[in-house]
Amino acid sequence: EAGVAQSPRYKIIEKRQSVAFWCNPISGHATLYWYQQILGQGPKLLIQFQNNGVVDDSQLPKDRFSAERLKGVDSTLKIQPAKLEDSAVYLCASSLNQGNTEAFFGQGTRLTVV
Amino acid sequence: GENVEQHPSTLSVQEGDSAVIKCTYSDSASNYFPWYKQELGKRPQLIIDIRSNVGEKKDQRIAVTLNKTAKHFSLHITETQPEDSAVYFCAASKGSARQLTFGSGTQLTVLP
Repeated sequence: EAGVAQSPRYKIIEKRQSVAFWCNPISGHATLYWYQQILGQGPKLLIQFQNNGVVDDSQLPKDRFSAERLKGVDSTLKIQPAKLEDSAVYLCASSLNQGNTEAFFGQGTRLTVV
Repeated sequence: GENVEQHPSTLSVQEGDSAVIKCTYSDSASNYFPWYKQELGKRPQLIIDIRSNVGEKKDQRIAVTLNKTAKHFSLHITETQPEDSAVYFCAASKGSARQLTFGSGTQLTVLP
């Protein structure tokens, strides 16, 4: 089966610029997650969607980060304006539902803010 | 919230030896504990998981043990091979939301 698709793979921007990442989950997966993985650390959850609704965005820095999943399939994560400390890999993951199912990760978007 | 600590941060073993990575968690309500393997520049991939109603689970050369009382769980890899070299992450979650809190990772190097 096709995996979680993310684009772009790499992005370099200057601080204060805006950037958007795109994720296409595995077909039929209702739950979608965005994680931030800073170099040398484990992934940290930013936001979780169940279909097109937000389940948890308590760790999303809402002053600059936003995410949406309008039709309950693809999702976009936006940063506006970016800061140097936003440099990280942004991982999208999906699972069949919220219950006892495995989360599959995409390859991530590596963001460098200069 | 949940806090997961992972040790060691780096681990080198000779090919054929065993490797053990340990994690502790803080929230006694956590009930699902997966382990992910992440090769350089690649996505994290689930290698084994355990739920709180089980004390041990094994899959070929990989095993995970869970001590709910002490709130710690461990990954055991036997007969290590060079292709086992990667960063391994433990994680914990609770309830039905499956929001994972990850440890900081262990860089495992298997020396030929």
